[in-house]
Amino acid sequence: AQKVTQAQTEISVVEKEDVTLDCVYETRDTTYYLFWYKQPPSGELVFLIRRNSFDEQNEISGRYSWNFQKSTSSFNFTITASQVVDSAVYFCALKNSGNTPLVFGKGTRLSVIA
Amino acid sequence: SQTIHQWPATLVQPVGSPLSLECTVEGTSNPNLYWYRQAAGRGLQLLFYSVGIGQISSEVPQNLSASRPQDRQFILSSKKLLLSDSGFYLCAWKAGDWNTEAFFGQGTRLTVV
Repeated sequence: AQKVTQAQTEISVVEKEDVTLDCVYETRDTTYYLFWYKQPPSGELVFLIRRNSFDEQNEISGRYSWNFQKSTSSFNFTITASQVVDSAVYFCALKNSGNTPLVFGKGTRLSVIA
Repeated sequence: SQTIHQWPATLVQPVGSPLSLECTVEGTSNPNLYWYRQAAGRGLQLLFYSVGIGQISSEVPQNLSASRPQDRQFILSSKKLLLSDSGFYLCAWKAGDWNTEAFFGQGTRLTVV
């Protein structure tokens, strides 16, 4: 069975603060992929990152960084120096190997206040 | 490049009326296709996914159905809408290789009145 838990329903920060969005996953597979998506107010989901289960290297892309830790089954997302344009709902997702579906967490709504 | 089209963007339908939402993908072949629903203020719920023509997997029992009459066409239907069917419906595709990300359409906001 696959499950993704995003315990933070809503987060509000002041612009320029750093913020971390938590994601905890459950799977019995040893091969799997993790994803983060951003959903701005327009509604369309925008792909941000994909990590496979064999690559625990942290990744940084501009102000975004991701921390993948298999020991705690977590794939956390940090936004450094947040901006108002970062305001959105962020979803973490998991996909097992083979023809299995992409399973999403319930999302975290991030509000960045100027 | 690949594109995904989903229509209509918004829809208001009375209770008991039928529904047909269409999603098409261009620029790829044999994609995996998905229908998700997002109720107001809630997360994404997987409704159906398809790995090929005529192959539909249902994740949640309900009065909705899906069909894939062509390789790059995915249709979500209902014979009689319920108030609880209101929500934001998203179609997505991904390449058949299982290790790739999914790309989403712009969504259909359905209000059942």
